[in-house]
Amino acid sequence: GIQVEQSPPDLILQEGANSTLRCNFSDSVNNLQWFHQNPWGQLINLFYIPSGTKQNGRLSATTVATERYSLLYISSSQTTDSGVYFCAVSPTSGGYQKVTFGIGTKLQVIP
Amino acid sequence: EPEVTQTPSHQVTQMGQEVILRCVPISNHLYFYWYRQILGQKVEFLVSFYNNEISEKSEIFDDQFSVERPDGSNFTLKIRSTKLEDSAMYFCASSRDRLGYGYTFGSGTRLTVV
Repeated sequence: GIQVEQSPPDLILQEGANSTLRCNFSDSVNNLQWFHQNPWGQLINLFYIPSGTKQNGRLSATTVATERYSLLYISSSQTTDSGVYFCAVSPTSGGYQKVTFGIGTKLQVIP
Repeated sequence: EPEVTQTPSHQVTQMGQEVILRCVPISNHLYFYWYRQILGQKVEFLVSFYNNEISEKSEIFDDQFSVERPDGSNFTLKIRSTKLEDSAMYFCASSRDRLGYGYTFGSGTRLTVV
């Protein structure tokens, strides 16, 4: 099945700093999403971005489908950004219904 | 924006009891899914459901589990005779078509088996 790798696995930021999270995937995808999992375990959808660039406030994401990676940018980080960020994909070559998650990037923003 | 709604947000049950987790998918979606995340681990696929049938399931989804769409709006996951290791976050999702268009996750139900 498709492989999803996220980096870095852990990240500590000072409040106000910027960061880039990366997701590499091993096959063509028709579905790529970024999620934030908050400390209560809830999954919050950030972006649905199988290709291109999107922005939402301090967050933006870019997926370069031909090179099989996606980036999530967090600018001017806040303590509420802490949590785990997941990339999740489903491949174009079958198994579309099954989304595969990466192991996540655990982000801690300190005041 | 349409949402997938899961209830309850947290459920505590005694080992050996049956539990039903409930989900209301997005109204015009036709494909429904359940995922599980054991604390500190990856989110894992359990099952997909279409046209009142299971279309795909993982090795995790054994005879202890069942899914049902009891009416036009709800989608449920039943866990029979719960075990301590069933404690996890359970996420419901839905999509509009078989290619996964509009794939949307609910925020999850935390199941604690004591």
